[in-house]
Amino acid sequence: NAGVTQTPKFRVLKTGQSMTLLCAQDMNHEYMYWYRQDPGMGLRLIHYSVGEGTTAKGEVPDGYNVSRLKKQNFLLGLESAAPSQTSVYFCASRYKGWGTGELFFGEGSRLTVL
Amino acid sequence: SQQGEEDPQALSIQEGENATMNCSYKTSINNLQWYRQNSGRGLVHLILIRSNEREKHSGRLRVTLDTSKKSSSLLITASRAADTASYFCATFNQAGTALIFGKGTTLSVSS
Repeated sequence: NAGVTQTPKFRVLKTGQSMTLLCAQDMNHEYMYWYRQDPGMGLRLIHYSVGEGTTAKGEVPDGYNVSRLKKQNFLLGLESAAPSQTSVYFCASRYKGWGTGELFFGEGSRLTVL
Repeated sequence: SQQGEEDPQALSIQEGENATMNCSYKTSINNLQWYRQNSGRGLVHLILIRSNEREKHSGRLRVTLDTSKKSSSLLITASRAADTASYFCATFNQAGTALIFGKGTTLSVSS
């Protein structure tokens, strides 16, 4: 099993460009998450999904869109990248369950916006 | 806003010493989790402690939970250089759907 796989691992964008980060999990998890990690800020939740076809906003959703068309995939889109979106992005997933269960993380996608 | 806050932000110790990290949170919880992140890698789950538990052990890890003080601590005994990493506590949001992380404690263990 590959677990949680993120692509691409590195990307450099110019301000105003768009891109999509792909997260794929092979554990049949219901819940999937996108976090961003910045120095001194820890992990902040961007968007998440509790099942195929559903999405919800997290702590810092502005400037991002997401889609969960297939259970195993969770896409994070930047329509018009800004330097403030330079960050390391982590995808995670877990089994269904209210208020419990551990998260399984991908290895991260490092994005630089110039 | 972040639910959990770790303390200290950074900790440097020698191999063989114990390392203690603390986490404070704001609202009532069902459980609290600790994760480790090695440099440049994703987070890895270490341990989960439920709200009705006061202490839990896993190998060299000992986690305590004090719900009256809304705090938890992670103790790593007999630290090794390989324990060098960032450690995060996390609790679920009120809806029970998403984990919210603190800013983490960076542990450096030197040999």
